[in-house]
Amino acid sequence: GQQLNQSPQSMFIQEGEDVSMNCTSSSIFNTWLWYKQDPGEGPVLLIALYKAGELTSNGRLTAQFGITRKDSFLNISASIPSDVGIYFCAGQLGTGNQFYFGTGTSLTVIP
Amino acid sequence: DTEVTQTPKHLVMGMTNKKSLKCEQHMGHRAMYWYKQKAKKPPELMFVYSYEKLSINESVPSRFSPECPNSSLLNLHLHALQPEDSALYLCASSQGILRRISGNTIYFGEGSWLTVV
Repeated sequence: GQQLNQSPQSMFIQEGEDVSMNCTSSSIFNTWLWYKQDPGEGPVLLIALYKAGELTSNGRLTAQFGITRKDSFLNISASIPSDVGIYFCAGQLGTGNQFYFGTGTSLTVIP
Repeated sequence: DTEVTQTPKHLVMGMTNKKSLKCEQHMGHRAMYWYKQKAKKPPELMFVYSYEKLSINESVPSRFSPECPNSSLLNLHLHALQPEDSALYLCASSQGILRRISGNTIYFGEGSWLTVV
């Protein structure tokens, strides 16, 4: 499988702070997806990006598809306690149905 | 709410047992996936079915046997598993593509927790 490096590995922030995380790869991806996973649950789709340079928002979340197509960024503004969880990026490799996941960012929000 | 349904939610099996995990989607998606996820690790791609044909096998041991009876159903047959196979098994689906178009997004079920004893 493909290696997608996600950073930071974990974050501990105060409620109300903004959060930034990114995902990088040595390969070119055609789609970037961002998911949140709560303990014992499947990943839930947050944002989907389909074109290089694309910037997409979903409420307090904003994500960007890097120009080089080898990276993507996710920002969360004004964090709240329910933002706690593990965030994964995922990239679609080539034109086939191959989606690979980043290593994950564990987010803890301190009230 | 996810529109990918997985059963059972929890499964405990012995190393000599034969069991199956089941997955169903009714979104009209033509690609379906099995992922394996260990604790605090990202999901790892196992198999991909595109238009009901196995298109990707990520060098998965033969004790895992996928089956796609139709475009809505995906099974994972388990036989002679090892304790290290204990994990969360995630099923997913996406629109599926034959050529490069935008909009291929993958949606997950809630997973089946497998424990091998």
